Amino acid sequence: SQTIHQWPATLVQPVGSPLSLECTVEGTSNPNLYWYRQAAGRGLQLLFYSVGIGQISSEVPQNLSASRPQDRQFILSSKKLLLSDSGFYLCAWSPSGIAGGYTFGSGTRLTVV
Amino acid sequence: GEDVEQSLFLSVREGDSSVINCTYTDSSSTYLYWYKQEPGAGLQLLTYIFSNMDMKQDQRLTVLLNKKDKHLSLRIADTQTGDSAIYFCAESKPGGYNKLIFGAGTRLAVHP
Repeated sequence: SQTIHQWPATLVQPVGSPLSLECTVEGTSNPNLYWYRQAAGRGLQLLFYSVGIGQISSEVPQNLSASRPQDRQFILSSKKLLLSDSGFYLCAWSPSGIAGGYTFGSGTRLTVV
Repeated sequence: GEDVEQSLFLSVREGDSSVINCTYTDSSSTYLYWYKQEPGAGLQLLTYIFSNMDMKQDQRLTVLLNKKDKHLSLRIADTQTGDSAIYFCAESKPGGYNKLIFGAGTRLAVHP
């Protein structure tokens, strides 16, 4: 069966520090991968999606970047965090080539102080 | 546009039925989904309905789809305190990379 792992679960980082959040998927090949952010009490904002290794599409301009160095690994990064980067970050995957729902990871709560 | 709209808050008494409503914009959407998010957790897929269906029932959950009005609803029968969560409606966009458009979520509060 397929599983998705996301870590860390919580993170407190000072303004200006770098960020690296990691997401891995098991039990499937060539998944579509997604990074979402959820601000406190708000809906989901799609940040990045990837349909293959090295293929990253950005939905909104921001202080963040994403990379997919391996088929089932998706990394969200920042060189210098801003206060506005605080939020709940969710990774998700879906099978490639077909319509279907997303499976979400358990999320990372990021607080920038 | 690509808006999926939901009311933000719903309060129900334990044992009553809850109905969460959603409107979407794209009549070509192939699937529509309901996700549940408990506090501090990721989103869990509850159920989905294919666009050529009017209704889908799964235990306490009933999904109704009105394609003419682009309206989707989720009914939870015999609502329990464990149903307290945020419920997200989402529509799929055909073509491309399997893009899902999510609503802002409805917070369901169940009280005794």
